[in-house]
Amino acid sequence: DIQMTQSPSSVSASVGDRVTITCRASQGISRWLAWYQQKPGKAPKFLIYSASSLQSGVPSRFSGSGSGTDFTLTISSLQPEDFATYYCQQANSFPLTFGGGTKVEIK
Amino acid sequence: EVQLVESGGGLVQPGGSLRLSCAASGFTFSNYCMSWVRQAPGKGLEWVAYIKQDGNEKFHVDSVKGRFTISRDNAKNSLYLQMNSLRAEDTAVYYCARRFIVAYHYYYYMDVWGKGTTVTVSS
Repeated sequence: DIQMTQSPSSVSASVGDRVTITCRASQGISRWLAWYQQKPGKAPKFLIYSASSLQSGVPSRFSGSGSGTDFTLTISSLQPEDFATYYCQQANSFPLTFGGGTKVEIK
Repeated sequence: EVQLVESGGGLVQPGGSLRLSCAASGFTFSNYCMSWVRQAPGKGLEWVAYIKQDGNEKFHVDSVKGRFTISRDNAKNSLYLQMNSLRAEDTAVYYCARRFIVAYHYYYYMDVWGKGTTVTVSS
């Protein structure tokens, strides 16, 4: 199974800050990686696919990069509605696996 | 509106069974592969099972193999998860999710999620 490791597990930031979250795969997954946002008590929301493609309707302040084993999610200017937990997910092979999550908290 | 609505969760004793359902609307259900994903209280997301459009290909995570079975009824626009021999560690919110398709390309991402149904396994 492919293990997905996210760092940091939590980050404190202020509105307007640039935030970067890292996701590392235990083996190469090309660009088969997605990012999701989840708010408390809500279902995950699909943000980015294939490492860097923005899902329709997602604000352009979100961006993704990487390939192989190392990936990043960047929020260029944090907005109040962005405080949430973010998960990466590999789509290279079954079982599909998620990272442990990164909680973005208000500083 | 594209929508997935889960039902069937509840409190069950260890060793018991439950059948979860997911009703799809707003899209052609039979064109899409589907998954179940769960989230234990305070924990991260865990993919549980996947089924192809016609139901002929299925995958389950090792921790539920032999206990859980994913199925679907395209005539009823419904996805199911039969859960047997339930354990305390199966306690979670269970989400159904749709496989992502863009420009006729199929990807193992999940673009539409239901709100989830809660399963609690406890005596």
